[in-house]
Amino acid sequence: DIQMTQSPSTLSASVGDRVTITCRASQSISSWLAWYQQKPGKAPKLLIYKASSLESGVPSRFSGSGSGTEFTLTISSLQPDDFATYYCQQYNSYPETFGQGTKVEIK
Amino acid sequence: EVQLLESGGGLVQPGGSLRLSCAASGFTFSSYAMSWVRQAPGKGLEWVSAISGSGGSTYYADSVKGRFTISRDNSKNTLYLQMNSLRAEDTAVYYCAKDRRGYCSGGSCYSFFDYWGQGTLVTVSS
Repeated sequence: DIQMTQSPSTLSASVGDRVTITCRASQSISSWLAWYQQKPGKAPKLLIYKASSLESGVPSRFSGSGSGTEFTLTISSLQPDDFATYYCQQYNSYPETFGQGTKVEIK
Repeated sequence: EVQLLESGGGLVQPGGSLRLSCAASGFTFSSYAMSWVRQAPGKGLEWVSAISGSGGSTYYADSVKGRFTISRDNSKNTLYLQMNSLRAEDTAVYYCAKDRRGYCSGGSCYSFFDYWGQGTLVTVSS
């Protein structure tokens, strides 16, 4: 199975900050990576797919990059609505594994 | 508008069974693979199972293989998850999710999830 490791596990930031979350795969997954945002008590929401493609309706302050084994999700200017937990997911092979999550907290 | 509505969760004793349902609307159900993803209390997301649009291909996480069965009824636009031999570690919110195809290779297709239901809680406890 492909292991997905996110860092950091928790991130404290202020409104307006540039935030970067890293996701590493235990083996190459090409660009078959998605990013999701989840708020407490809610279902996850798709943000990015194929490593860098922005889902329709998602603000342009979110961007993704990377290929192979290392990927990043960047929020260019953190907004109050962005405080949430973020997950990466590989869909290169079954089982389609998720990272353990990165919680973005208010500093 | 795509809507996914799960039902069937509840409290069940260890060793018991439960069947989850997910009623879909707002898209051509039979054209899309579907998945179940779960989240234990306070924990991260875990992919559980997937099924192709026709129902002819199914995939399972090792943690549920042999105990859970995914199926679908395209005439009713409904996805199911039959869960047998339930364990305490199966306690979680179970989400159904609509797959969007990433790529296909070697007869299998791999997807990410563009729509999610609100989830249904399954608690396994005596």
